Amino acid sequence: GQQLNQSPQSMFIQEGEDVSMNCTSSSIFNTWLWYKQDPGEGPVLLIALYKAGELTSNGRLTAQFGITRKDSFLNISASIPSDVGIYFCAGLGRDDKIIFGKGTRLHILP
Amino acid sequence: DADVTQTPRNRITKTGKRIMLECSQTKGHDRMYWYRQDPGLGLRLIYYSFDVKDINKGEISDGYSVSRQAQAKFSLSLESAIPNQTALYFCATSERGPFYNEQFFGPGTRLTVL
Repeated sequence: GQQLNQSPQSMFIQEGEDVSMNCTSSSIFNTWLWYKQDPGEGPVLLIALYKAGELTSNGRLTAQFGITRKDSFLNISASIPSDVGIYFCAGLGRDDKIIFGKGTRLHILP
Repeated sequence: DADVTQTPRNRITKTGKRIMLECSQTKGHDRMYWYRQDPGLGLRLIYYSFDVKDINKGEISDGYSVSRQAQAKFSLSLESAIPNQTALYFCATSERGPFYNEQFFGPGTRLTVL
């Protein structure tokens, strides 16, 4: 079946640094979604992407739907402590099912 | 008030016991989902429902069953719990329309099977 490879698995950065993470697949996806999960809570939708090449921002977050439709990127600028959490990508595949990546755990050092 | 609620939030049970996890939503969404989250494995779909009485198997449905008796409620049952079902369980909802793949998650239920 279709699979998503999300990287990196975890990141340790200094407050104020920019962050970049991505999801790739050998399959084509029609929609890409990015979620954030805070400790003890459920994932919350950050950004949804519907067209190849689409670049969408939500505050300090920017995500892109890759031109090949096989990848997506999420960037966070000027990280702050509340950015800590797990970030998940998700893709809508050819069988109309949502598949989640395994997550990128973001740690911010004081 | 939360749009998607799950009860209980935490549960410890013993092997062989029957367990039911409840999910309720006030978003008016038709579609509801149950996921399981294990460390390092992301979210895996157990069952989903597009309408009342509609039930579909997900990626890992063995050992689980669900019931959708009303639009706002979707319950997950473990008929005979086993230790490898220890995990964090999430309910999610989405609308029927063009943004049907934007899912809204509940706060989760942490289940421990001893």
